[in-house]
Parts: sequence; structure tokens; C-alpha cells
Amino acid sequence: KAGVTQTPRYLIKTRGQQVTLSCSPISGHRSVSWYQQTPGQGLQFLFEYFSETQRNKGNFPGRFSGRQFSNSRSEMNVSTLELGDSALYLCASRFDRVQETQYFGPGTRLLVL
Amino acid sequence: GENVEQHPSTLSVQEGDSAVIKCTYSDSASNYFPWYKQELGKRPQLIIDIRSNVGEKKDQRIAVTLNKTAKHFSLHITETQPEDSAVYFCAASYSAGGFKTIFGAGTRLFVKA
Repeated sequence: KAGVTQTPRYLIKTRGQQVTLSCSPISGHRSVSWYQQTPGQGLQFLFEYFSETQRNKGNFPGRFSGRQFSNSRSEMNVSTLELGDSALYLCASRFDRVQETQYFGPGTRLLVL
Repeated sequence: GENVEQHPSTLSVQEGDSAVIKCTYSDSASNYFPWYKQELGKRPQLIIDIRSNVGEKKDQRIAVTLNKTAKHFSLHITETQPEDSAVYFCAASYSAGGFKTIFGAGTRLFVKA
């Protein structure tokens, strides 16, 4: 089975712009979670989607949003980018609502100038 | 709020020695505790996990212990090897109403040959 994939792998944006990141889960996995990883804050939970519904959300401002499609692919969007949004954005997929083990994608490295 | 504290932040051991990393969580609803290894430039990889109804789990050189009363859990690596050098993250997760995983800040492990 192919692993979790994320596109793009690298992205450079300027302050005020918006960005959309994509995550394709392992085939058959229906739950997708997003995380922000920075040297200062570590791995922080953004949100989790299951069957196109956001089930849980971390403590991030409303500029961070996401969605999930019927094929379980997920996107996250960050509007009005700030310098502090520079980070590695990781998504992780799991099989269903009771299977805890999650598998991470390679991440999208976002640099905001 | 939910929090996972991880210690130490850096750990240096001689090859063959044991390494111990400790975590404390705050949310008593947490029922799943995975450990991830992240090598430079790579995605986090699950190395071992433990569920709340188990006190200890071992997989070759790696073991994890859980004390639910004290809200402590620990990772033990025996007979360390240079390839064990990486950043290790503990996490606490709960699955009521959707998954939410809170990560510790990470421990950078150096194994000196």
C-alpha cells in the first residue's frame, strides 16, 4: 500500500498571502489529522477529519481551516499568512474512528517571507 | 488545558548503554500513548505504543511503561546503537468524539559510538 502523501513538499509564500496544502491518506484510511511542527513549539495538533466532518480542533486561530473530501483526501488552508506560520505541516491518517495508530506523511515545509 | 511534558530535552549516552525518556500528561481522558522517532528531515515514525489498560509493553530493545494513576509514561531503550540517534516524541491521545493527540516537546537522543 502506498503511504500518506502530501503536496507540495516545499512552498515559499509572502506575508498576507494564503496557502492550500493537500494530503492523501493511505488507501482505506478515513481519518486525517493535521499537525504543525516548529522548532520552538514542537508538534501541535491542528484538526482531525473523519468522513468529511471535522471532529476535533486544536488551539489555532480561524485563519487555519481544513476540509475533507469524499475520497478521504484532505486539504488545509492558511489565510493571511504570518511569518510565524513558517513550519513543517504534517498530516497523518488512521483507518477508522477506533483505530488509534496513525501514519504520518512526509510533510509540507512552508516558508513565509 | 491538555499538556504533555517530556524530559529530558537532550540525552547523550554511550553506545550499549540504556536511555530513558519520561513523559507526564494532564488529561485523564487520554487512553492511548504512542512514541515516535523522527530522524532529521524525515517524518515521525511510530516505534511503540501502549493503551491505558496495559502497564508495560516491550518490543525487542524498546519498552514502554505506563502509570495511569500518576499520569506518567516512559520509554526505555536498551543496548543503544548509533542509529538510535534521533528525536523522540511521546504523545497522549484520546478518542472520545474524535481523535486528539497531544505531543511532548521531544527528546534529542545522541548515541556516541
